[in-house]
Amino acid sequence: EVVLTQSPGTLSLSPGETATLSCRASQTVTRSFLAWYQQKPGQAPRLLIYGASNRATGLPDRFRGSGSGTVFTLTISRLEPEDFAVYYCQHYGTPPNTFGQGTRLAIK
Amino acid sequence: QVTLRESGPVLVKPTETLTLTCNVSEFSLSNPRFGVSWLRQPPGKALEWLAHIFSTAEESYSPSLKSRLTISKDTSKSQVVLVMTDMAPVDTATYYCARGTTIFGVSGPYYFDSWGQGSLVTVSS
Repeated sequence: EVVLTQSPGTLSLSPGETATLSCRASQTVTRSFLAWYQQKPGQAPRLLIYGASNRATGLPDRFRGSGSGTVFTLTISRLEPEDFAVYYCQHYGTPPNTFGQGTRLAIK
Repeated sequence: QVTLRESGPVLVKPTETLTLTCNVSEFSLSNPRFGVSWLRQPPGKALEWLAHIFSTAEESYSPSLKSRLTISKDTSKSQVVLVMTDMAPVDTATYYCARGTTIFGVSGPYYFDSWGQGSLVTVSS
């Protein structure tokens, strides 16, 4: 199975700054079948990005997904207070689906 | 608006069997673009995918839990059911159902674009 490693574990930034979150796969992710989710405390995850770079419906263009092969990045520009949450990457190509361990984006 | 809602026991004893139900609305379980997965998240930990059922009723399971899981659906009732046997304290988690959307064929790769609110299940005697 594909093992996803997210870094950093915690990222502390201030509103208005740019966040760069990394997701590395243990093997090539087929056809960029890589998604990103945001999860706030006590809530279910929310889809942000699918196909490595496609934004979910209604997602602001401050959120950008990029990458291919084994290295993927989620970039969040002009951070707003509601962006501070935990972010997970997910591989959904060759089964089984797997998730990274998450990156916590914290307010500095 | 697409919704998914989990229901089931909040407390189960070790060795017991857990049965969870996911009721979905505003999409059909027979639509070839959509399937439903069950996932879980232990307190403070990451997400783990458990099982998926496609529109065709084809089933897919996590290899590490396959022997304990059964997923099924009743399209007429818009329900998906997960059965997990031989529960243990390490299975304590919030269990989610989520819609899996595919754009690559009826049994193709899928991402989760809608989630239920989750159901916390505690395993304790």
